Amino acid sequence: EPEVTQTPSHQVTQMGQEVILRCVPISNHLYFYWYRQILGQKVEFLVSFYNNEISEKSEIFDDQFSVERPDGSNFTLKIRSTKLEDSAMYFCASSVISWGNTGELFFGEGSRLTVL
Amino acid sequence: DAKTTQPNSMESNEEEPVHLPCNHSTISGTDYIHWYRQLPSQGPEYVIHGLTSNVNNRMASLAIAEDRKSSTLILHRATLRDAAVYYCILGYQTGANNLFFGTGTRLTVIP
Repeated sequence: EPEVTQTPSHQVTQMGQEVILRCVPISNHLYFYWYRQILGQKVEFLVSFYNNEISEKSEIFDDQFSVERPDGSNFTLKIRSTKLEDSAMYFCASSVISWGNTGELFFGEGSRLTVL
Repeated sequence: DAKTTQPNSMESNEEEPVHLPCNHSTISGTDYIHWYRQLPSQGPEYVIHGLTSNVNNRMASLAIAEDRKSSTLILHRATLRDAAVYYCILGYQTGANNLFFGTGTRLTVIP
């Protein structure tokens, strides 16, 4: 069964360092998403991406964050200068059609980011 | 945005049916009812969705009240692998920021 894959599974970084989290969405999917979950808290929406541009972003997704689909298969989330509060599990998801049109989102297993 | 209310937690014995309720009294006429679940240490996983009629798939059934103000996710035979947090979410033609997970219902399956 096709699945969304994410790397790394766990990354430890120092505060102020740049981090790139990588995702390979399911191959025929057109919509891509990043969510995060701080330990013990709710899953929070960060950003959605379609047709090589951001469709929506939340208040969390500030100028420190960026997304890119560099080569038609990978979908990356970059955090430019990490803060302690960026420590969380980051989930990538993809869908054939948009969530708003009842698309089923497929999530990866997540990348745990620990900022020291 | 339409909101949902779910119990914080439920327990079920293994191999017994589980009925997970969701109240959504402010649902709009076009809102679909979606269910996702999150197994421990994993990403969310789609379970089922519906609009008005009851729906069945290989994972579960969704029973929707006639007035659509509530719905019930039915797991026909709970297994230990079904232990997860279950989220009831409303939406249609809204943005992905409205895939709002909330706190969900934590289902414990007792062997």
